[in-house]
Amino acid sequence: NAGVTQTPKFQVLKTGQSMTLQCAQDMNHEYMSWYRQDPGMGLRLIHYSVGAGITDQGEVPNGYNVSRSTTEDFPLRLLSAAPSQTSVYFCASSSHSPGHSISGANVLTFGAGSRLTVL
Amino acid sequence: AQKITQTQPGMFVQEKEAVTLDCTYDTSDQSYGLFWYKQPSSGEMIFLIYQGSYDEQNATEGRYSLNFQKARKSANLVISASQLGDSAMYFCAMIQGGKLIFGQGTELSVKP
Repeated sequence: NAGVTQTPKFQVLKTGQSMTLQCAQDMNHEYMSWYRQDPGMGLRLIHYSVGAGITDQGEVPNGYNVSRSTTEDFPLRLLSAAPSQTSVYFCASSSHSPGHSISGANVLTFGAGSRLTVL
Repeated sequence: AQKITQTQPGMFVQEKEAVTLDCTYDTSDQSYGLFWYKQPSSGEMIFLIYQGSYDEQNATEGRYSLNFQKARKSANLVISASQLGDSAMYFCAMIQGGKLIFGQGTELSVKP
């Protein structure tokens, strides 16, 4: 059971370039989310999804797009990278959406993280 | 705005002693959930413990326990008998508005 798979693990971009961070889970999880981690700021939610075809904004959505065409995949797109988007990105999923019910089933399973540097 | 706060950027503890990591939250919801995660230097996120707002007992998982004080809106993590492997970042998180929001984290260093 692979869990949550993120690719790539490392990426260097130039300002203005676009790229997609891939996230796939094989646990049939309902809820998927993207976070960015910056020193001293913890993990901040970028976008999340409660099911295929449904996405919503988190705390810091500007500059990022997402889509969820299947239950398994939740890619994060940077349309025009900026140095402020240099960060470590985590994809995470849970079997139940926190919006539907609150319980231990909302525990997030995280991917290994993707370190992005924008020059 | 609803939020979650960890006021200790860094903590030190002697090996084999207990340590408490603070977490306070602000919410107007009656039903909510609180989580603690550990992030070692290798970077992965590891779930430690969960507490529901309606749970009557404080959650415990091995050496981890959660000191949940609902009236004070605090959910402190207690690690008993600290080990060198407990050195890591620790994050408190809360379900708010259908999503999981994290605090800033506390870096714990265990001294031999």
